[in-house]
Amino acid sequence: EAGVVQSPRYKIIEKKQPVAFWCNPISGHNTLYWYLQNLGQGPELLIRYENEEAVDDSQLPKDRFSAERLKGVDSTLKIQPAELGDSAVYLCASSLGLAVYNEQFFGPGTRLTVL
Amino acid sequence: DAKTTQPTSMDCAEGRAANLPCNHSTISGNEYVYWYRQIHSQGPQYIIHGLKNNETNEMASLIITEDRKSSTLILPHATLRDTAVYYCIVISGGSNYKLTFGKGTLLTVNP
Repeated sequence: EAGVVQSPRYKIIEKKQPVAFWCNPISGHNTLYWYLQNLGQGPELLIRYENEEAVDDSQLPKDRFSAERLKGVDSTLKIQPAELGDSAVYLCASSLGLAVYNEQFFGPGTRLTVL
Repeated sequence: DAKTTQPTSMDCAEGRAANLPCNHSTISGNEYVYWYRQIHSQGPQYIIHGLKNNETNEMASLIITEDRKSSTLILPHATLRDTAVYYCIVISGGSNYKLTFGKGTLLTVNP
């Protein structure tokens, strides 16, 4: 069974440039999550989707971050414009549903470096 | 959700049992204890979870104290590939739960 796929794995950009990350969840998983992980810290939830609906985006900095999950499958997370402090690993995860007993499966992440 | 406290780091000899403690003294009756781990340069991986009873699966055992204020994750025969950051997370049941990761415990398995 294929896991959660993320691309690119690494991205280096200059500040003020836009950047986008792509995630393909495990087939059949209705729930998709984007997390941000700073160096030495645990992941922090940015946004959570149930199918194509964002059910929790309270932690997403909406002035520069946006996300979409068209057709309830793949998802894209965008930052525009990027700032130096956005350098981090961006993780995508998916699960069968929102219920607590549905474990989350994580992708390998995209490591973003903003220069 | 209840807050958890874990040691920053631990060492274990290869082949020996690794016992990772977690304190969650403010846990309430409907909150689960979850364990995830994160190997370097990978995303977190689910290990095990429990509510009241001890649990065991192919990866680990979870021992929850009777008062549920603490728990221990046991890797019975640690290997070098078990070197990772281990996160203990307490979450409420239901459909609106969140995984709130702390800093976890860095377990280093030594040859």
